[in-house]
Amino acid sequence: AQRVTQPEKLLSVFKGAPVELKCNYSYSGSPELFWYVQYSRQRLQLLLRHISRESIKGFTADLNKGETSFHLKKPFAQEEDSAMYYCALEAHDYKLSFGAGTTVTVRA
Amino acid sequence: DAGVTQSPTHLIKTRGQHVTLRCSPISGHKSVSWYQQVLGQGPQFIFQYYEKEERGRGNFPDRFSARQFPNYSSELNVNALLLGDSALYLCASSLSSGNEQFFGPGTRLTVL
Repeated sequence: AQRVTQPEKLLSVFKGAPVELKCNYSYSGSPELFWYVQYSRQRLQLLLRHISRESIKGFTADLNKGETSFHLKKPFAQEEDSAMYYCALEAHDYKLSFGAGTTVTVRA
Repeated sequence: DAGVTQSPTHLIKTRGQHVTLRCSPISGHKSVSWYQQVLGQGPQFIFQYYEKEERGRGNFPDRFSARQFPNYSSELNVNALLLGDSALYLCASSLSSGNEQFFGPGTRLTVL
């Protein structure tokens, strides 16, 4: 069975500082990994997926199969980045498993 | 397109009752997934339907059931409600299994 762990429930950074959200996973197969974001009063939405290798809103995430991690990073946090972030893994049977989420607060 | 829509927005039930939640996918999307999100946790997968057939089921008791209609809308049914069923129920649609999922606003269920 797959499992996604986000060790930080809360993360507070200053505007302009780097931010890194940790995500570790366990899965016996080859995973597809995602980061979802939920801004205040908005729906859960896809931020990025590892296979696209895109940088979205300045965020990047690298899949490290050796460490089974998929950490989300941004070099310079902005106030609009304040949100709830979820790491998710899609197994071969299309089941999407989410971590518990990390609330990010970017302070001015 | 309004995106994925869910109804009702919220509802209150008592233990033992049953509830039906509804979801309308984005036009053209043929896959619908249901998730339960308990306060303080991430969404938990309940079901996925594609072309009216069940594609996947999470670790939920048989009290939970779902179906998808010819127009690709979907219903989630929960029988014999327990206090622990209180949660936000999310619906997500995608073009097909494995594509990006678009989430609805959710239905907040409170069981008293």
